[in-house]
Amino acid sequence: KAGVTQTPRYLIKTRGQQVTLSCSPISGHRSVSWYQQTPGQGLQFLFEYFSETQRNKGNFPGRFSGRQFSNSRSEMNVSTLELGDSALYLCASYTGLAGETQYFGPGTRLLVL
Amino acid sequence: GQQLNQSPQSMFIQEGEDVSMNCTSSSIFNTWLWYKQDPGEGPVLLIALYKAGELTSNGRLTAQFGITRKDSFLNISASIPSDVGIYFCAGRRLLEYGNKLVFGAGTILRVKS
Repeated sequence: KAGVTQTPRYLIKTRGQQVTLSCSPISGHRSVSWYQQTPGQGLQFLFEYFSETQRNKGNFPGRFSGRQFSNSRSEMNVSTLELGDSALYLCASYTGLAGETQYFGPGTRLLVL
Repeated sequence: GQQLNQSPQSMFIQEGEDVSMNCTSSSIFNTWLWYKQDPGEGPVLLIALYKAGELTSNGRLTAQFGITRKDSFLNISASIPSDVGIYFCAGRRLLEYGNKLVFGAGTILRVKS
């Protein structure tokens, strides 16, 4: 079974631009979560989607948004990029059933200049 | 910031030695997870724990879900060079809606061969 895939793997943007990251979960998984990883703050929860609905949201500004499609693929968008948005963005998928475990993708490394 | 206190922050040990690391929190958790992350990759699940007092092994790795539900530890026996990496604990808080995980800051493991 294929794992979680994220595209692109690396991205360089400049301040003020916007970016869209994509995540394809493991086949059969209906839930996708997004996390931001930085050296200073570690792994921080961004949001979780289940069956196209946002189920939970972390403490990030409104510039961070996401969505999930009917095939469970998810995208996250960051508008008006700031230098501090440079991070590894990780997507995790799981079945959506209570108690099930999340599996992470390789991440998208975003560098904002 | 981090909501789980993970220690030690880093370890530098001899090959063949046993390793212990732990996570504590002021909150009660219903799930504890241990992940390993290699440079440039996403976290890989090592062990998942779902019940207070549960002791689970995965090869040379053993983890326990604390009785108070506020802590967990991970042991690695007879460490080898490929154990190098960053180990994260993660937990799902009791009564937290959805599948949001909170993470420790990580333990950097370096093995001297």
